[in-house]
Amino acid sequence: DTAVSQTPKYLVTQMGNDKSIKCEQNLGHDTMYWYKQDSKKFLKIMFSYNNKELIINETVPNRFSPKSPDKAHLNLHINSLELGDSAVYFCASSQGVGGSPDTQYFGPGTRLTVL
Amino acid sequence: GDSVTQMEGPVTLSEEAFLTINCTYTATGYPSLFWYVQYPGEGLQLLLKATKADDKGSNKGFEATYRKETTSFHLEKGSVQVSDSAVYFCARSSVNQAGTALIFGKGTTLSVSS
Repeated sequence: DTAVSQTPKYLVTQMGNDKSIKCEQNLGHDTMYWYKQDSKKFLKIMFSYNNKELIINETVPNRFSPKSPDKAHLNLHINSLELGDSAVYFCASSQGVGGSPDTQYFGPGTRLTVL
Repeated sequence: GDSVTQMEGPVTLSEEAFLTINCTYTATGYPSLFWYVQYPGEGLQLLLKATKADDKGSNKGFEATYRKETTSFHLEKGSVQVSDSAVYFCARSSVNQAGTALIFGKGTTLSVSS
């Protein structure tokens, strides 16, 4: 009955590889997000999707490509991984979009380590 | 630009001590304000929120009041427990974007000893 789930929980890979992180929410929410938490625990928004449509795309290298096959899933694909990509990536979801601020529910995180 | 500033940690307290973690924000408009907590090895959980000026959010003995005049949302708890040891994040909703992203402070680590 997990609300927001992510796989894998841990991902260790070599520089230059391509990897994906998957996220699923069973809350019936319309909006999903990806956040990055760096080694100092600072959290920053990367992307936001509403009903499979990209609505927020912060300054993120184009090696990062989110994909939303349906509104319950938001996957993150990363090409040509670099050392600086090592971080914890959190998926989140919320009910709505637009001017009404909504509570966001977070997944458990995926710790990516690039060697 | 819009931001959230929290007090630097770590904060180290003895059990049953009073806790205050300061948080101030800058914003054009009236964002909603949140406190999230991250226990060791886990994801973020919403602790409490307030959506308009003078609202008080409260949960698990924690509380915070939305102060528009001082643009603050300080977190308080009267008597902390060892189980409260975690990283606490203040956040505000982003009112300038099409979506509702959260802008987070840098987090404050709380360590409570018995």
